[in-house]
Amino acid sequence: EAQVTQNPRYLITVTGKKLTVTCSQNMNHEYMSWYRQDPGLGLRQIYYSMNVEVTDKGDVPEGYKVSRKEKRNFPLILESPSPNQTSLYFCASSFNPQLNYGYTFGSGTRLTVV
Amino acid sequence: SQQGEEDPQALSIQEGENATMNCSYKTSINNLQWYRQNSGRGLVHLILIRSNEREKHSGRLRVTLDTSKKSSSLLITASRAADTASYFCATDAVGGSYIPTFGRGTSLIVHP
Repeated sequence: EAQVTQNPRYLITVTGKKLTVTCSQNMNHEYMSWYRQDPGLGLRQIYYSMNVEVTDKGDVPEGYKVSRKEKRNFPLILESPSPNQTSLYFCASSFNPQLNYGYTFGSGTRLTVV
Repeated sequence: SQQGEEDPQALSIQEGENATMNCSYKTSINNLQWYRQNSGRGLVHLILIRSNEREKHSGRLRVTLDTSKKSSSLLITASRAADTASYFCATDAVGGSYIPTFGRGTSLIVHP
C-alpha cells in the first residue's frame, strides 16, 4: 500500500532529551516535508526536501534538524526539545509538485514535551 | 507565512444540504489544493486545481478558482455525516518552493 509512515504516533518526553521522529515513504517521491499543527495556527512548514541531500528551511525551523540521506526517509530531529515544541507533527511527500501532484500525508506524531 | 485563509472557520449543516467553504490567498499561485482532515488524523488530498483552470469536479466535490479575486471555493453537495472534518486549502505560490502553504481550515459538522 502506498503510504507515508511516521513513528512514533505518540511520544511524551522531557525537556532537553534528544529525539527523532522517523518518516518513510514507499512511493519514490522526490519531495518531502515536515509540518507542525497547533490549535488556531493551522499547519506550518518546518523543513522540506526536494531531493536526496537537499533540504531547506520552512517557516518555523528553529529547534529542528532534518536529513535526507536516501529518497525514502526524512527524519525530524529535535536536539534539545522544549515545551513549546509540544505539537502534532506531520510528514508529507509528493512525486513532483512542479507537475501539479498533490501531497500524501502520514498519520501524524503527537509530541508532548514536559 | 499563511498564504490561504479559509472562510468560514466553522460550518454546521444537516445531512443532505450542500456545504460551501471559501479560501482567499495573497500572491499568484501555480495551483491550489484542498485537503480534508478527520479529527487528529493525517490530511487527505481531495483535489488540485491549476491556476489556468476555473472549475474542477470530483464526485460530490466541486472546486472553483478565481485568480482575479485570488479566491477559491469548495462545494460539497448532498453532504453526509461522514463528511464531518476540517477542510484546508493549500497554495503553491509562484516562485515558491513547491511546498504547499496551508490556511487554518474550516471545521465542518454534518448532523445526521
